Amino acid sequence: DAKTTQPTSMDCAEGRAANLPCNHSTISGNEYVYWYRQIHSQGPQYIIHGLKNNETNEMASLIITEDRKSSTLILPHATLRDTAVYYCIVRPKTSSSGSARQLTFGSGTQLTVLP
Amino acid sequence: GAVVSQHPSRVICKSGTSVKIECRSLDFQATTMFWYRQFPKQSLMLMATSNEGSKATYEQGVEKDKFLINHASLTLSTLTVTSAHPEDSSFYICSARVLTGVQETQYFGPGTRLLVL
Repeated sequence: DAKTTQPTSMDCAEGRAANLPCNHSTISGNEYVYWYRQIHSQGPQYIIHGLKNNETNEMASLIITEDRKSSTLILPHATLRDTAVYYCIVRPKTSSSGSARQLTFGSGTQLTVLP
Repeated sequence: GAVVSQHPSRVICKSGTSVKIECRSLDFQATTMFWYRQFPKQSLMLMATSNEGSKATYEQGVEKDKFLINHASLTLSTLTVTSAHPEDSSFYICSARVLTGVQETQYFGPGTRLLVL
C-alpha cells in the first residue's frame, strides 16, 4: 500500500474550516484515499473516501489533486468535538475476488479545535 | 454508517487469567472482522483478520495461541487473551468490513481497554 505523509499536528479556530493535508505521492491507479479520525479513547470513525473525484458527505469534503499525489480533508465548520487524530490511508481497490484488505494506520494528524 | 459494538468497554484482570472480548456488527452481517491493538500514544496495529467459519489470519509477531479468535457467526467475533500479563494491557479495537458497491469500508467498534495487574 502507498505510504502517506501528514503533519503531526494542527490547530483550528472553532467555527472555521479545518483543512488537513495528506501527501501520497506513490499512490497507484487502483488505490483509494480513506480518511478516518479517532477521538481520544474511542475507536476510529470513518469519515470519507475517494478515488479521483472530489467527494462530499455530511461530515466533510475530500479534495484530491488531479495527479492524485495529495489530498485535503476539509471540515467546513470545525467544532470542539472535531478535536481528534485524523488518519489518511491509501488502500487498494477491493479485489475482484472480494478478499478483504486491512487498513494500515500511520501516525495521523492531531487536530485541536480551539475555542 | 454501520454500527459495531464491543463488550466489555473496559476490563481489569489479574495476571494469568484469560479475558474474552466480543465484537458485534449490529445492523449488518460481516464475513470479515479485524482486531487491532493500540498502546498509549501509538497508532493502531493490526493483530489478526477474522473470517467467519474459518481460522483467523494473524500478523507477524502476534501469537495465535495467546490471542484466540473465534468468528462463529456473521455478526460476532471474539478475541480471548489467554494467560494475560501486564504487557498485554492495551486498547483493543475491532472493525467489520462492509462492501458498498465495488469498494469496501471498515467500521470500528468503540474499543476495549484492558488492564492486567
